[in-house]
Amino acid sequence: AQSVAQPEDQVNVAEGNPLTVKCTYSVSGNPYLFWYVQYPNRGLQFLLKYITGDNLVKGSYGFEAEFNKSQTSFHLKKPSALVSDSALYFCAVRPTSGTYKYIFGTGTRLKVLA
Amino acid sequence: EAGVVQSPRYKIIEKKQPVAFWCNPISGHNTLYWYLQNLGQGPELLIRYENEEAVDDSQLPKDRFSAERLKGVDSTLKIQPAELGDSAVYLCASSLGTTGELFFGEGSRLTVL
Repeated sequence: AQSVAQPEDQVNVAEGNPLTVKCTYSVSGNPYLFWYVQYPNRGLQFLLKYITGDNLVKGSYGFEAEFNKSQTSFHLKKPSALVSDSALYFCAVRPTSGTYKYIFGTGTRLKVLA
Repeated sequence: EAGVVQSPRYKIIEKKQPVAFWCNPISGHNTLYWYLQNLGQGPELLIRYENEEAVDDSQLPKDRFSAERLKGVDSTLKIQPAELGDSAVYLCASSLGTTGELFFGEGSRLTVL
């Protein structure tokens, strides 16, 4: 079965330190990869996506993500965390064959400590 | 540019009552999605529309849930009758085609008492 895993329920990081939120997937072919962020009582907001090309993609609010095909991973990163980055982050994968249905991870709560 | 608009934001009803949620997608977005999000979980697809056609409704509990997207723009999701387990956030999203990112509304939080 196709799946997306976010192995950490919560990530704590000090403000100013680099952060990484992990995502691995089990989807055949070359899926499209996405990161979304959700603030309390809000909908999900798109951060960035990987379709093809350079393995390092840059997105909104200084976030970037690194695609690793051999490890089927798409980790979200930021060089210097802000307290305002504290939110719930979702990795999503869209297969390029079959049902084309987006598959979301269970989310990782990022807490940036002042 | 206006985003995806959903209403109501919050709804509290008693079990066995009906409820309806409305969604207006971003102008020009032909693909519309309804997702269910339980607390602390990722969104789960209920139904996906391409224009006015429901192309994936395999996860929609059809005994009590129904949806429509007349004229390929606005959409309504209905639950009748509601059960306690339906308490969740119902998210609407739209995209330009099926390859682009999803744009989500703020969600409709349903509480069934």
